[in-house]
Amino acid sequence: DTAVSQTPKYLVTQMGNDKSIKCEQNLGHDTMYWYKQDSKKFLKIMFSYNNKELIINETVPNRFSPKSPDKAHLNLHINSLELGDSAVYFCASSPSGEYNEQFFGPGTRLTVL
Amino acid sequence: SQQGEEDPQALSIQEGENATMNCSYKTSINNLQWYRQNSGRGLVHLILIRSNEREKHSGRLRVTLDTSKKSSSLLITASRAADTASYFCATDDGAQKLVFGQGTRLTINP
Repeated sequence: DTAVSQTPKYLVTQMGNDKSIKCEQNLGHDTMYWYKQDSKKFLKIMFSYNNKELIINETVPNRFSPKSPDKAHLNLHINSLELGDSAVYFCASSPSGEYNEQFFGPGTRLTVL
Repeated sequence: SQQGEEDPQALSIQEGENATMNCSYKTSINNLQWYRQNSGRGLVHLILIRSNEREKHSGRLRVTLDTSKKSSSLLITASRAADTASYFCATDDGAQKLVFGQGTRLTINP
């Protein structure tokens, strides 16, 4: 199936741990994104990569480090997890071009205890 | 900063009725998009309207855009139970990122 996939779907971990979330898209898109959706459903962009290059880096703690090994993958590593990091993290991708229609993955629900 | 704000935050209607959701934004845009999010799922793109367009249709969806008022509306006609979801507007100012509102939670009652 052509899609944006994320793993894992659920992640429960203790404060202070380091964790990673992986994202893959097989749509042939050039641009990939990470979003954070909080408990009030507010969706905020964190990072964006275009052809493996970082193009958007919103005000995000440097405990969050994205990595794009190739243009089909964008992973998110989080160090020293804090309670406030609990949220749903969405990966998305979009094709090149004038119109920035985005395709979202199913999300990773991160719970920090 | 948050760009789009949806109104109402929640809407509950009977199946078959029409649902209207509004979105206001603050700065100039290249285009405005509407997305749907079913519970526990990712967002799905519904429709895109360019800044030089005033109205667009897709099936049972009708979107309007008023750039002078910096507002947009999404109308879903003849609603169905499967339309129950959260609906988000997102603005694209041409800087390769979308800025989302907080969404309208739509419930269609059978």
